[in-house]
Amino acid sequence: NAGVMQNPRHLVRRRGQEARLRCSPMKGHSHVYWYRQLPEEGLKFMVYLQKENIIDESGMPKERFSAEFPKEGPSILRIQQVVRGDSAAYFCASSKAGGAPYEQYFGPGTRLTVT
Amino acid sequence: QKEVEQNSGPLSVPEGAIASLNCTYSDRGSQSFFWYRQYSGKSPELIMFIYSNGDKEDGRFTAQLNKASQYVSLLIRDSQPSDSATYLCAVDTGGGNKLTFGTGTQLKVEL
Repeated sequence: NAGVMQNPRHLVRRRGQEARLRCSPMKGHSHVYWYRQLPEEGLKFMVYLQKENIIDESGMPKERFSAEFPKEGPSILRIQQVVRGDSAAYFCASSKAGGAPYEQYFGPGTRLTVT
Repeated sequence: QKEVEQNSGPLSVPEGAIASLNCTYSDRGSQSFFWYRQYSGKSPELIMFIYSNGDKEDGRFTAQLNKASQYVSLLIRDSQPSDSATYLCAVDTGGGNKLTFGTGTQLKVEL
């Protein structure tokens, strides 16, 4: 499967626990983006990363949320001390480096439920 | 605030008709425009992108861009029931690294 991969597909956490969402970009892609889709709302940009660098995190909540894209391995979106309002679908997208427009291809998403 | 606006619908069209989906955006500096299709419970799927004024055709789909009017549209010819989905308009507002999405238009193609 050469597409964007995300895991887990479904994640249930109790309030106060940590959630870790993983994303492996499409083969040949080096740019990763995270988006959140709340119920009945549109997709909202969270963060844009390249290997070992956060390029734009203007959409990330100031607290509890962090993201990384290490030299080796998948990109990780980490949510500490989850609250019910964090329940949403989290999508990762990837694109090639160089040459706008940067066509972004989405993974299947992780559905996070906070109980 | 940078915004992308779409009519939420639902837009109902009979099978075989042309579906016309519209989108307006507020940031005049936007350069690239994308249409995604999202089935219920699934992830967005890229259908088209356009960055020059005018029309761009790909199979049954045509994207139209008018930067002066800050308007982008998607036409679907010979609509099929399988086209029933939510169509998301996305605008590159970050110089190539950030997409701002509209809330989507729900399309229903009826037999």
